[in-house]
Amino acid sequence: SQTIHQWPATLVQPVGSPLSLECTVEGTSNPNLYWYRQAAGRGLQLLFYSVGIGQISSEVPQNLSASRPQDRQFILSSKKLLLSDSGFYLCAWSVRLRGELFFGEGSRLTVL
Amino acid sequence: GDSVTQMEGPVTLSEEAFLTINCTYTATGYPSLFWYVQYPGEGLQLLLKATKADDKGSNKGFEATYRKETTSFHLEKGSVQVSDSAVYFCALSGESGGSNYKLTFGKGTLLTVNP
Repeated sequence: SQTIHQWPATLVQPVGSPLSLECTVEGTSNPNLYWYRQAAGRGLQLLFYSVGIGQISSEVPQNLSASRPQDRQFILSSKKLLLSDSGFYLCAWSVRLRGELFFGEGSRLTVL
Repeated sequence: GDSVTQMEGPVTLSEEAFLTINCTYTATGYPSLFWYVQYPGEGLQLLLKATKADDKGSNKGFEATYRKETTSFHLEKGSVQVSDSAVYFCALSGESGGSNYKLTFGKGTLLTVNP
């Protein structure tokens, strides 16, 4: 069966420090991969999606970047964190372009 | 573009009460519709889905019917339990060019069920 792993689960970082969140999917090939952010409150904002290795689409201009170095690995990064980057980050994958998404457990980032 | 509007709540019910969370959407063509649930501190889990008009998705006692004439996908459960306390998200996967690769989510509805 397919599984998705996301880490770290929680981190606290100072303003201006770098960030790296990792996500891997197991049990499937060539998944579509996504990064969402859930800020205080509950709404979900799509940050990036990828349909293949090295193919990244950004939904909103921001302080973050994403990379897909391997088929089932998706990384969210920042060179210098801002206070506004705090939130709950969710990685997700899908098999088909219109199929349902399967989410990881999330990473809670607090920038101080 | 595509959009999803759901009642924001919060919704507070007593155990065994009837639940309805309204969801309406705007999309071109024939989107697929989903309900996701998020328990505290966790990621989202797919609760149910419907891929064409008049389809009824169901799971764990929850139901939702894809109504194209009213562009709605309301979530219902006949008798809620304390363990149903969570945030519920309505979402659609559209077929228009800009939506082919992502789901569009509503803002979520917080449900609290008291014993």
